Amino acid sequence: DVKVTQSSRYLVKRTGEKVFLECVQDMDHENMFWYRQDPGLGLRLIYFSYDVKMKEKGDIPEGYSVSREKKERFSLILESASTNQTSMYLCASSEQNSYNEQFFGPGTRLTVL
Amino acid sequence: KNEVEQSPQNLTAQEGEFITINCSYSVGISALHWLQQHPGGGIVSLFMLSSGKKKHGRLIATINIQEKHSSLHITASHPRDSAVYICAVRRGSQGNLIFGKGTKLSVKP
Repeated sequence: DVKVTQSSRYLVKRTGEKVFLECVQDMDHENMFWYRQDPGLGLRLIYFSYDVKMKEKGDIPEGYSVSREKKERFSLILESASTNQTSMYLCASSEQNSYNEQFFGPGTRLTVL
Repeated sequence: KNEVEQSPQNLTAQEGEFITINCSYSVGISALHWLQQHPGGGIVSLFMLSSGKKKHGRLIATINIQEKHSSLHITASHPRDSAVYICAVRRGSQGNLIFGKGTKLSVKP
């Protein structure tokens, strides 16, 4: 079974804090993705990575950065959390071939107070 | 205008009913995905289509490339089918998906 895990299901942080969201996949997938999901907006791509140490901006990268030091791990970093970053964050991974499906993690519901 | 539009936004059905959820898109695509999200957040891939029709159990997905339209059908619906169903399309050869806003389905016993 493909497994994508995320470090926390629920997280509460204060404005200005540095926040790390971790994602790990166990299927040796080349591609990894970070999305946020908001009511009425659907899923939006923040960043993605096609290989170790490689990253590409998605549709809404502002206020976020990422790190991929190992193939199985893709981290999303909020350098200085703000209330408008309160959201559900979903990680996904897929094989390199663009026709393959994406496998999603369970999501992290982040609240920034 | 959103590149991926789903209808309806919300759908309530009685157990046993035949259900159709629609997805229209405005961009050239290499594949279309149907995803299911249960309360609690986890997303599961149901289908990936580039042409024609696929069937898995009580679920059927069709796509018409010329009309840029796809449908997800659920036969003999059951309360456990209650979830948000999301359509997503892949542009070109890159791995990025563009998502619809989802259709929230509630099946009453």
